[in-house]
Amino acid sequence: DTGVSQNPRHKITKRGQNVTFRCDPISEHNRLYWYRQTLGQGPEFLTYFQNEAQLEKSRLLSDRFSAERPKGSFSTLEIQRTEQGDSAMYLCASSLGSRVKTQYFGPGTRLLVL
Amino acid sequence: AQSVSQHNHHVILSEAASLELGCNYSYGGTVNLFWYVQYPGQHLQLLLKYFSGDPLVKGIKGFEAEFIKSKFSFNLRKPSVQWSDTAEYFCAVNAGRGSTLGRLYFGRGTQLTVWP
Repeated sequence: DTGVSQNPRHKITKRGQNVTFRCDPISEHNRLYWYRQTLGQGPEFLTYFQNEAQLEKSRLLSDRFSAERPKGSFSTLEIQRTEQGDSAMYLCASSLGSRVKTQYFGPGTRLLVL
Repeated sequence: AQSVSQHNHHVILSEAASLELGCNYSYGGTVNLFWYVQYPGQHLQLLLKYFSGDPLVKGIKGFEAEFIKSKFSFNLRKPSVQWSDTAEYFCAVNAGRGSTLGRLYFGRGTQLTVWP
């Protein structure tokens, strides 16, 4: 399968702990996006990269959240000092090109903060 | 900020019934429009998209959508649904300028249940 992959698929953590998620985009896709989805809602944009550059960050992305894409391939999303409100599905998507293109989504990482 | 409204949160139909799911957005400029579908246990998949040209677009599995600019709408239709169409459907809009062209704005989703 050459689609977008995300690891881990599930994560349970205690409040206050740090967590890191990884996303591997479709090969050669230069854009990578992170979204968050809570129950009963559609995905909400967090941030996106074009190659290594982080081009936009949502106001949802508080100081506890950081995303990187150091070599323009895979990306990591870290949440520090997790809170119960961080419990959600974290989705990654990728696309090819520099303008509007179709975003292809991964299976997501479901985070539960106890 | 842009917003996307899906007015039907849960739709229940019998097989062979016709389907129309509403989607309205709030942005007066150029938009790019998408419908994504999420089948049970699977990830979001593209159903169809509109970038420009013919406002009636056809997607996979017999779905189509019509872009009506004057109504800020992009409704999804299917003339005859099947049990396998049971899924959650999301409307999404890409709008803005410069770097903001990257993000998609999603509606809340519509859960479609089709009874055999």
